[in-house]
Amino acid sequence: EDQVTQSPEALRLQEGESSSLNCSYTVSGLRGLFWYRQDPGKGPEFLFTLYSAGEEKEKERLKATLTKKESFLHITAPKPEDSATYLCAALPSGTYKYIFGTGTRLKVLA
Amino acid sequence: DGGITQSPKYLFRKEGQNVTLSCEQNLNHDAMYWYRQDPGQGLRLIYYSQIVNDFQKGDIAEGYSVSREKKESFPLTVTSAQKNPTAFYLCASRGPTSDAYNEQFFGPGTRLTVL
Repeated sequence: EDQVTQSPEALRLQEGESSSLNCSYTVSGLRGLFWYRQDPGKGPEFLFTLYSAGEEKEKERLKATLTKKESFLHITAPKPEDSATYLCAALPSGTYKYIFGTGTRLKVLA
Repeated sequence: DGGITQSPKYLFRKEGQNVTLSCEQNLNHDAMYWYRQDPGQGLRLIYYSQIVNDFQKGDIAEGYSVSREKKESFPLTVTSAQKNPTAFYLCASRGPTSDAYNEQFFGPGTRLTVL
């Protein structure tokens, strides 16, 4: 069964304390792995798409990486405005039904 | 400005009522989706549509109905058959069918509360 698991469920960091969020996936062929940021009461905001193992993408303090079994969202020197829930989703081959993880709630303290 | 709009932002439903949530996009995207989000759970797929006049059930379609008469619009009706409709509802769209356009883009959401 296709599945996406995110860890940890919640993470508290001090401002400037770098860390990584994990997204483990089990799907029948990966067409794409997606990261989103979601603020409370709002829709998810698209961050990155990764297509193949070894691929990396960066945006400001965020860097997403992909292996054959998992993806990491690295946050370097986070700021309080990076506080949000980060969602990971996988798109299996042969379908356009996305599989979402339950998210990681990140809180960055000043 | 291209994007996805959902209305209303907040919706209250009485027991036994049907309500319709609006989703409109001006991104010229072919595919549209409806998800339900509950606290502590991932996004769950209700219905999706790859092209106009065609749609498929997702994982939790019972008690919901949709239509896709126009490319820009994909309204969701929550019927009285849906026993626990209180949730945050998200609409999304995706670009042309190809390996280069697989990202979904989301609307701002509608929060539905049953009174």
